Amino acid sequence: GQQLNQSPQSMFIQEGEDVSMNCTSSSIFNTWLWYKQDPGEGPVLLIALYKAGELTSNGRLTAQFGITRKDSFLNISASIPSDVGIYFCAGHSGNTPLVFGKGTRLSVIA
Amino acid sequence: DGGITQSPKYLFRKEGQNVTLSCEQNLNHDAMYWYRQDPGQGLRLIYYSQIVNDFQKGDIAEGYSVSREKKESFPLTVTSAQKNPTAFYLCASSIVGSSYEQYFGPGTRLTVT
Repeated sequence: GQQLNQSPQSMFIQEGEDVSMNCTSSSIFNTWLWYKQDPGEGPVLLIALYKAGELTSNGRLTAQFGITRKDSFLNISASIPSDVGIYFCAGHSGNTPLVFGKGTRLSVIA
Repeated sequence: DGGITQSPKYLFRKEGQNVTLSCEQNLNHDAMYWYRQDPGQGLRLIYYSQIVNDFQKGDIAEGYSVSREKKESFPLTVTSAQKNPTAFYLCASSIVGSSYEQYFGPGTRLTVT
């Protein structure tokens, strides 16, 4: 199936630092979604993007739908310990299910 | 409260036994999905259903079976043919249409020994 390249695979940051992660695809998507998964739980939807160039915020989180429609970025500002988890990007086009990236594992050092 | 329920949270089985994982939603969503998650592998789609009495194979359907007799329910059976069934299983649902946002259940961790 389609693949999304999500990077970085993992990151260790100090509390208070800003975080950036991204997703790229060889295919065009009409929708980009970002999820966060806490250990042992199901992913929770953070931000949904529906339009190329769209920039959307949710508290300290900001995500952008790339102009080419082949990429998306998620930024977290002023990280806190509860930001720890795995962040997944997902893209959608046509009538097929979402395609998920492999995740970025975030660790925050207090 | 609307949401997705998966039960049980932890399930243990002996090799060679079939096991059925439950997934129920009261969000009135048309579509439901099953994913498998292994460490470092992300989410892999097993089966999905966009309407009652119809379902499609995902990327890793071999060794699994599903049914969709009711809109609210989408049980997954892990058969003895699945070579490596130990994993974390996630169920999700979504509206079919202009928005494809999926909402996930809490997951079931299956251990087969």
